[in-house]
Amino acid sequence: GDSVTQTEGLVTLTKGLPVMLNCTYQTTYSPFLFWYVQHLNEAPKLLLKSSTDNKRTEHQGFYATLHKSSSSFHLQKSSVQLSDSALYFCALKGSNYNVLYFGSGTKLTVEP
Amino acid sequence: EAAVTQSPRSKVAVTGGKVTLSCHQTNNHDYMYWYRQDTGHGLRLIHYSYVADSTEKGDIPDGYKASRPSQENFSLILELASLSQTAVYFCASSDVWGNTLYFGAGTRLSVL
Repeated sequence: GDSVTQTEGLVTLTKGLPVMLNCTYQTTYSPFLFWYVQHLNEAPKLLLKSSTDNKRTEHQGFYATLHKSSSSFHLQKSSVQLSDSALYFCALKGSNYNVLYFGSGTKLTVEP
Repeated sequence: EAAVTQSPRSKVAVTGGKVTLSCHQTNNHDYMYWYRQDTGHGLRLIHYSYVADSTEKGDIPDGYKASRPSQENFSLILELASLSQTAVYFCASSDVWGNTLYFGAGTRLSVL
C-alpha cells in the first residue's frame, strides 16, 4: 500500500541556519506530494505541493523537489526563522487519488 | 478563504459513552474527511465521504462511524468511547481534485 516516511521526529536549529526535513514515499501509482505545516494549537495548512518530477516548487521561503527516481520530496529552507517553529507533515496522494496519506510529522524548533 | 467548522472544540467523555463530533463546511466541496492526530503517528484517516449519504472507510475505521447527511455536514460517531480514542480529531474538506485539504480547528477529545 501507499506510505510516507519522515525519519526525523524532532529537529532543533538555531535561527538563520538551513534546514532539510526528509520525506520518502512508497506507491505504485503516479504520486502527488504535499507538505503541510501545523503551528501550535492551529489546524494544518498546505505549504507546498508537486506532482512534477525534478521540478522545484517554492512557497514562503520553503522549497522542495519531487524526485521519483529516489521516491523523495524533502523540504528545505536556506535560513530558518523563529516563526518557522511548527509541526511539518509530508503527505501523499497515490493509489486513491482523493485521499491524502500523511507521514508521522517532524517537529521543527528554531531557537534564538 | 475556505471554512470548516468543528464542534465541540473540546470534550471530555466517559468510557462506554457515545460521542458525536460535528463538522460543517461552507466551501461547496464534495469531499470531507475525518483524521485523528496522535503524537508520533501524524494524521491518520478514519473515514471520508465524497457525496451525501455515503461514507468510506479510511485506515483506522474500527470503533468509529461516520455520517454525511448533506454536502455541508459530516459527523464522526463513537458509539462506545474507549480510553484509546483520546486524541485530537480534525475534519477537512477538499474539492473533487483533492489537491488542497482545508482543515477545521480540531476537537480535543479526552475519554476518561
